[in-house]
Amino acid sequence: DSGVTQTPKHLITATGQRVTLRCSPRSGDLSVYWYQQSLDQGLQFLIQYYNGEERAKGNILERFSAQQFPDLHSELNLSSLELGDSALYFCASSVLAATTDTQYFGPGTRLTVL
Amino acid sequence: AQTVTQSQPEMSVQEAETVTLSCTYDTSESDYYLFWYKQPPSRQMILVIRQEAYKQQNATENRFSVNFQKAAKSFSLKISDSQLGDAAMYFCAYRSARNYGGSQGNLIFGKGTKLSVKP
Repeated sequence: DSGVTQTPKHLITATGQRVTLRCSPRSGDLSVYWYQQSLDQGLQFLIQYYNGEERAKGNILERFSAQQFPDLHSELNLSSLELGDSALYFCASSVLAATTDTQYFGPGTRLTVL
Repeated sequence: AQTVTQSQPEMSVQEAETVTLSCTYDTSESDYYLFWYKQPPSRQMILVIRQEAYKQQNATENRFSVNFQKAAKSFSLKISDSQLGDAAMYFCAYRSARNYGGSQGNLIFGKGTKLSVKP
């Protein structure tokens, strides 16, 4: 158990809908990362937050947004869902935002868009 | 842009034997970090081992060790005394050491190698 929690574990929804994925980092970690794992794209970095502020952005679609709250938990919002958004979404956390920090991954949220 | 390549989609090893998983990467940076992550059927991503590019000594964690060849941009993972619990997808990942720029902090993953362990 990495100490990173993600809810829900599974999510099934329809095209055009909006969902929110939640992540709680390890105790004491200030940085949160979101990754998407899909069959065709593999594991891709989406976005990073550090202590409430956006720190880095990857291949995140405009339909997707994220935020980190004062208690350091983070939410990834996916809207206008398409079939291709079906994937495993991981959250990872690290102590700071330094590149020396190891990222610890949560168990992931499996999103299925029908 | 940095890329990570794992040329072996699948590998198989006999229990108690040794197996080596290959990884190559492309970067123009001189300072970076390399990782191997394991993803068992539970889908959890588990850090196996980490290597700093400035260190010449190869990292070792119990039965797991790496062969880091910086000039060749190669980073292979050796698993000794393979166990049934080692069966998983293994991902090689790269991370820049830069603390600036839009890509700071994120991991760049290869496509993975599926390792099967035969009893």
